[in-house]
Amino acid sequence: KQEVTQIPAALSVPEGENLVLNCSFTDSAIYNLQWFRQDPGKGLTSLLLIQSSQREQTSGRLNASLDKSSGRSTLYIAASQPGDSATYLCAVRPNTDKLIFGTGTRLQVFP
Amino acid sequence: GAGVSQTPSNKVTEKGKYVELRCDPISGHTALYWYRQSLGQGPEFLIYFQGTGAADDSGLPNDRFFAVRPEGSVSTLKIQRTERGDSAVYLCASSRLARADNSPLHFGNGTRLTVT
Repeated sequence: KQEVTQIPAALSVPEGENLVLNCSFTDSAIYNLQWFRQDPGKGLTSLLLIQSSQREQTSGRLNASLDKSSGRSTLYIAASQPGDSATYLCAVRPNTDKLIFGTGTRLQVFP
Repeated sequence: GAGVSQTPSNKVTEKGKYVELRCDPISGHTALYWYRQSLGQGPEFLIYFQGTGAADDSGLPNDRFFAVRPEGSVSTLKIQRTERGDSAVYLCASSRLARADNSPLHFGNGTRLTVT
């Protein structure tokens, strides 16, 4: 059974720091991996999607990497800002049609 | 529409009542998903539609839960004889295609269900 774990569960940092959020999964047979952002009381916003054949994806200050063989992905946030404060969720898509989510990393960036 | 729309945004109901939650996916999206999210947890899969048919309902917790998508667009999640443990945020998502596809999922803002 596929399980997704995210570390740390919570993170509080001053503005300007570079951050790494970790995601690990138990079964390497995945189709893709997706990172989402969730603001309090809101739905999920898709940030980056990495296909199983890819190693990384970049969007602005965000960079996500995927090491399928070791069951790991990292989300790198450069020069963090207070507006980055949110919960970040990692989700893997096995060779089926549903995403399996981790429990998220709650990030707070203070001025 | 511009995004996935869910109504109502909040629903408070008494234990034992029946509720319906509605999802309007992005126009043209074939696949539609329902997830449930409890406080402090990641979303958990409930059911997935490809067009009008439920392709995978393995996440529905019991037979009190049912979902339909009669015309392949709007979907309704129906919960009978609600229990306090059903309280959660119910999220709907859609994607352009589904099987063997890398289309990202787009989520709505969810319906917060509270059963008193």
